[in-house]
Amino acid sequence: GNSVTQMEGPVTLSEEAFLTINCTYTATGYPSLFWYVQYPGEGLQLLLKATKADDKGSNKGFEATYRKETTSFHLEKGSVQVSDSAVYFCALRDTGFQKLVFGTGTRLLVSP
Amino acid sequence: DTAVSQTPKYLVTQMGNDKSIKCEQNLGHDTMYWYKQDSKKFLKIMFSYNNKELIINETVPNRFSPKSPDKAHLNLHINSLELGDSAVYFCASSRGETGSDTQYFGPGTRLTVL
Repeated sequence: GNSVTQMEGPVTLSEEAFLTINCTYTATGYPSLFWYVQYPGEGLQLLLKATKADDKGSNKGFEATYRKETTSFHLEKGSVQVSDSAVYFCALRDTGFQKLVFGTGTRLLVSP
Repeated sequence: DTAVSQTPKYLVTQMGNDKSIKCEQNLGHDTMYWYKQDSKKFLKIMFSYNNKELIINETVPNRFSPKSPDKAHLNLHINSLELGDSAVYFCASSRGETGSDTQYFGPGTRLTVL
């Protein structure tokens, strides 16, 4: 079946550090891949997405590239801010399926 | 002009009660969903409706019954609440059913069963 595996958190960084949150997936078809972010006490917001191999999604300084050969969609940001502290969810939606399959989430804590 | 709204935001109730959570989207989307987020933040789909028709029904106890009076609304009714139902419930919507359609989430309803 389809599944998403994320690195366990929390990830603790100082402001302006480089961020990588790993995400790998298993899918039977040709999935679209997503990163969602959940700020404390709020719902999920779409951060970025990629719908086919080699696509790069980007938003607010975050980037992720759809790598079919390694079945990965790692999230990166060159310089994190305290306001980036949140839980980040990697997710996939396979061809012909309506539901999103989420990873377990990775909590990011950025200190000044 | 909230895109996906849920009410109530917090719900505290006793075991055995029946409660409902309402969801509305003003995006003109055809497909709506309910997700459950447990205490470890793990998110799992419960139901999906497309044009008021049930499309996905994961292995959810039949105490949970979704109701879609129209395309813009998907309510969740829960009978005989149990302690294990305590969670955050998220409603979401998307334009269609294809894999690339983005799902937009509501702010969540935190249900606490005592």
